[in-house]
Amino acid sequence: DAGVIQSPRHEVTEMGQEVTLRCKPISGHDYLFWYRQTMMRGLELLIYFNNNVPIDDSGMPEDRFSAKMPNASFSTLKIQPSEPRDSAVYFCASSGGTVENYGYTFGSGTRLTVV
Amino acid sequence: GEDVEQSLFLSVREGDSSVINCTYTDSSSTYLYWYKQEPGAGLQLLTYIFSNMDMKQDQRLTVLLNKKDKHLSLRIADTQTGDSAIYFCAESMDDYKLSFGAGTTVTVRA
Repeated sequence: DAGVIQSPRHEVTEMGQEVTLRCKPISGHDYLFWYRQTMMRGLELLIYFNNNVPIDDSGMPEDRFSAKMPNASFSTLKIQPSEPRDSAVYFCASSGGTVENYGYTFGSGTRLTVV
Repeated sequence: GEDVEQSLFLSVREGDSSVINCTYTDSSSTYLYWYKQEPGAGLQLLTYIFSNMDMKQDQRLTVLLNKKDKHLSLRIADTQTGDSAIYFCAESMDDYKLSFGAGTTVTVRA
């Protein structure tokens, strides 16, 4: 398995533009998580899905952020409109969700810079 | 994660042992984890321990768990320059979420 795949690796955009981040989880994993990492706030859980259904989106900063999981192999995190304070590294992670396998597998992240 | 606390920095000399400490709050956590993040990369699962264990050893890594004090530690024997990274402690929550600490930045000096 290629692991969790995120794209793009780097994104630079202007304030006000729409940004879409993409994630392909590990096949067979039925939990998918989106995290944001900044120096100031560390790792923040934004939203997670179970079997493609959003379970907890309480970490989503505001209405400018939205996430979808149209099928088991793909998820997107969209920011519209983007702002400079959204600059961060965004990680996607997936998990098998069993007692023996709560551990997550993380993607390499998308470094977002909003100028 | 507010519920998991770690010291932020650790400096260690190459060849010495490193000990990274973590405290957590949820006594019902089933598993506790250690992740490693190298510069520019995602978090990589290093090791984990089941809550009914006191200790787990995996090559140079030793995890100690004190459930009474809700204290978890990771010891790295014979620390190498490649061990320089950020180490995150995490506890499992009931709803399959993991709660992460802020991370301990380990710097290995020659």
